[in-house]
Amino acid sequence: KAGVTQTPRYLIKTRGQQVTLSCSPISGHRSVSWYQQTPGQGLQFLFEYFSETQRNKGNFPGRFSGRQFSNSRSEMNVSTLELGDSALYLCASSLMQGNTYEQYFGPGTRLTVT
Amino acid sequence: ILNVEQSPQSLHVQEGDSTNFTCSFPSSNFYALHWYRWETAKSPEALFVMTLNGDEKKKGRISATLNTKEGYSYLYIKGSQPEDSATYLCAFYQGGSEKLVFGKGTKLTVNP
Repeated sequence: KAGVTQTPRYLIKTRGQQVTLSCSPISGHRSVSWYQQTPGQGLQFLFEYFSETQRNKGNFPGRFSGRQFSNSRSEMNVSTLELGDSALYLCASSLMQGNTYEQYFGPGTRLTVT
Repeated sequence: ILNVEQSPQSLHVQEGDSTNFTCSFPSSNFYALHWYRWETAKSPEALFVMTLNGDEKKKGRISATLNTKEGYSYLYIKGSQPEDSATYLCAFYQGGSEKLVFGKGTKLTVNP
């Protein structure tokens, strides 16, 4: 079974631009969560989507948004990029909503904002 | 604000040593505790999801215990091997919060 895939793997953007990251979950998984990791910080939860609906949201500004499609693929968008948005963005899929299920992580997208 | 603490922050051991590290979390309204292994240049990989107080789980040389009343979980590695070198993350799910909160991880280096 194919794992979680994320595209692109690396991205360089300048301040003020916007970016869209994509995540394809494991086939059959309906929940997709997004996380940000910056140096010295643990994984910070951004949001979770289940059946095309955002179920939960972390403490991030409104510049961070996402969506999920009917095939469970998910996209994350960051508008008006700031230097502090430089990070590794990970998505994870799980079979069902809720956090008693293992999460399967993708390889991440490394975003650099200059 | 939910706080998940992991200790130590980093650990260096010799091949063959057994080791353990700790994850501390709020003891109220416990729902689940996850452990992940994150090797450099790879994706985090799920090790265990633990939901019951007193749970003990084992996968090969790695095992974990859970104490929800006092808010901690231990991860044990028996006879460490160089391939065990990775960052070990725990993540806590508190009922009502609807999100996983990750600790900053314990970075383990096993020297041959």
